[in-house]
Amino acid sequence: ETGVTQSPTHLIKTRGQQVTLRCSSQSGHNTVSWYQQALGQGPQFIFQYYREEENGRGNFPPRFSGLQFPNYSSELNVNALELDDSALYLCASGRETQYFGPGTRLLVL
Amino acid sequence: SQQGEEDPQALSIQEGENATMNCSYKTSINNLQWYRQNSGRGLVHLILIRSNEREKHSGRLRVTLDTSKKSSSLLITASRAADTASYFCATVIPGAGSYQLTFGKGTKLSVIP
Repeated sequence: ETGVTQSPTHLIKTRGQQVTLRCSSQSGHNTVSWYQQALGQGPQFIFQYYREEENGRGNFPPRFSGLQFPNYSSELNVNALELDDSALYLCASGRETQYFGPGTRLLVL
Repeated sequence: SQQGEEDPQALSIQEGENATMNCSYKTSINNLQWYRQNSGRGLVHLILIRSNEREKHSGRLRVTLDTSKKSSSLLITASRAADTASYFCATVIPGAGSYQLTFGKGTKLSVIP
């Protein structure tokens, strides 16, 4: 157990809708990263937050946005959902070594 | 984009045998890490090797790194059925400004009891 929790575990949305995914990081970790993992692929880096500021972003459009709160928990928001957004979304806390949560599986219909 | 490329894509062995997975990458790195993922759930960190290290051990795991060839290998000795999982290498690139992990597509390991 990594101590990183994510909610919800599964989610079904339709194209065009918006979704918010949540992550509670491991105690003491001030850095949270989000990754998208499509079926059969490795995780792709979306962005990272350090002390409530975005600290690096991967090749994802602006409709992917995030927040980090003073207690270092985090949210990933995705607007205008597309079918290709269907994936496992993973949150990780820590910097050099990252501790992953169990993920949220999002299905966009 | 994928920085790392694992080989083979899939590997099936008998319990007790050794399993070797390879990873190649494209650019200079700060470190290379191996993670395990069971059944599409969260990833578990296995081992980290820095760019100035050549070999590292952790229990039944042995990792090597050859920066001249931009490659790494993960050896699992005396495999168990519980080792059945997907294994990913991930690199951290210097100067990226953040601890961004760049993953390969993974090797799916099946250990047959």
